[in-house]
Amino acid sequence: GENVEQHPSTLSVQEGDSAVIKCTYSDSASNYFPWYKQELGKRPQLIIDIRSNVGEKKDQRIAVTLNKTAKHFSLHITETQPEDSAVYFCAATGGGADGLTFGKGTHLIIQP
Amino acid sequence: DTAVSQTPKYLVTQMGNDKSIKCEQNLGHDTMYWYKQDSKKFLKIMFSYNNKELIINETVPNRFSPKSPDKAHLNLHINSLELGDSAVYFCASSGGRGGGEQFFGPGTRLTVL
Repeated sequence: GENVEQHPSTLSVQEGDSAVIKCTYSDSASNYFPWYKQELGKRPQLIIDIRSNVGEKKDQRIAVTLNKTAKHFSLHITETQPEDSAVYFCAATGGGADGLTFGKGTHLIIQP
Repeated sequence: DTAVSQTPKYLVTQMGNDKSIKCEQNLGHDTMYWYKQDSKKFLKIMFSYNNKELIINETVPNRFSPKSPDKAHLNLHINSLELGDSAVYFCASSGGRGGGEQFFGPGTRLTVL
């Protein structure tokens, strides 16, 4: 089955700086890679996703890059703001009805 | 309107009891899922259900069983609850046969005493 590794487990950055979270996956058949943000006590919410036929995708301050050869993908958040503080999860799936395999999460802390 | 809803939000029960969590989605999605989030925040797929096809994560004990009365509902039944079942359980749904955005319910926090 799929295995997703996520690093770092905790990331503290100054407000206004950039944050990068990295994930690797094991199953070359995986073709969909979403990123979810989870605030304390809330449900995971999709912030950006990328499919295997695309190398990069950007949405305002958030971008995701995918390297299929190396089987890794990264989340980039620029100009971080206090409301970006949360736990971020990467995930991968090969489609079908297999569900998402999640990384273990990154606790992002934005220092004022 | 809530896209994916779950009841109850909190569930406190004794070891050995049997309980159910209900999930409903009004998005017209074909696939529904159950995830477990443990105390370390690890999110793990338990089941997915698409057009009467059930895919079970092999690590899920057979005390857990999903039941789908129709396409909009996927309930989770848990028999003989154990302390280790304490977690937050999230229902989710997606429009296609996987490979698309999954919308999560608000979660059910289960505490087994």
